[in-house]
Amino acid sequence: QVRLQQSGPGVVKPSETLSLTCSVSGGSITNYYWAWIRQSPGKGLEWIGHIHHTGSPNYNPSLKSRVTISMDTSKTHFSLRLTPVTAADSAVYFCARDRAVWGDDAFDMWGQGTTVTVSS
Amino acid sequence: DIQMTQSPSSLSASVGDRVTITCQTRQDIRKSLNWYRQEAGKAPQLLIHDVSDLEPGVPSRFSGSGSGTDFTFTIISLQPEDVATYYCQQYDALPITFGQGTRLEIK
Repeated sequence: QVRLQQSGPGVVKPSETLSLTCSVSGGSITNYYWAWIRQSPGKGLEWIGHIHHTGSPNYNPSLKSRVTISMDTSKTHFSLRLTPVTAADSAVYFCARDRAVWGDDAFDMWGQGTTVTVSS
Repeated sequence: DIQMTQSPSSLSASVGDRVTITCQTRQDIRKSLNWYRQEAGKAPQLLIHDVSDLEPGVPSRFSGSGSGTDFTFTIISLQPEDVATYYCQQYDALPITFGQGTRLEIK
């Protein structure tokens, strides 16, 4: 059974960097894309971007200048980096498995979510 | 970006009722649409992919239909455990986008 476990700080100061990691266990990381999605009361669910194990990420244009999604060389986890952050980046952040390789771009496995608050 | 317009934003229905949620787009997304449910405090759960294909383990009282710009999600007979917020999601073009959600409550 594939499991996604998120880790990272819950509070980030304005203008600093939000960094989250999603560890994948129980299954192969090579046959899927891996995504970051966030959810805030004001904007609902927002796709941030995704990455394939070949290393070619796609980003939401609204965040592209500030976001980096990477995958570690051992391919057991992937990460999100967003900088600089503002209060508008306060949200619940989810990592998810994305079936884009199989054609339906559906998010069929999710991490537990991390509530990130941008505050000084 | 492809904007997803979901309606209603909330609804209240009785156990056993038939419930319908719609999702509309301004541009043709063919059949590139998925549906999710999200219980309070939890991550979304994929219910239906490619408009009408149920994920393994999803009860048959859930169904989806449509193509192009108009899509429908139906619960044939509402159950108490169906209380949640439901979202549509398109993947016809990046960036992937979601509807704003429909909060479903039991009367």
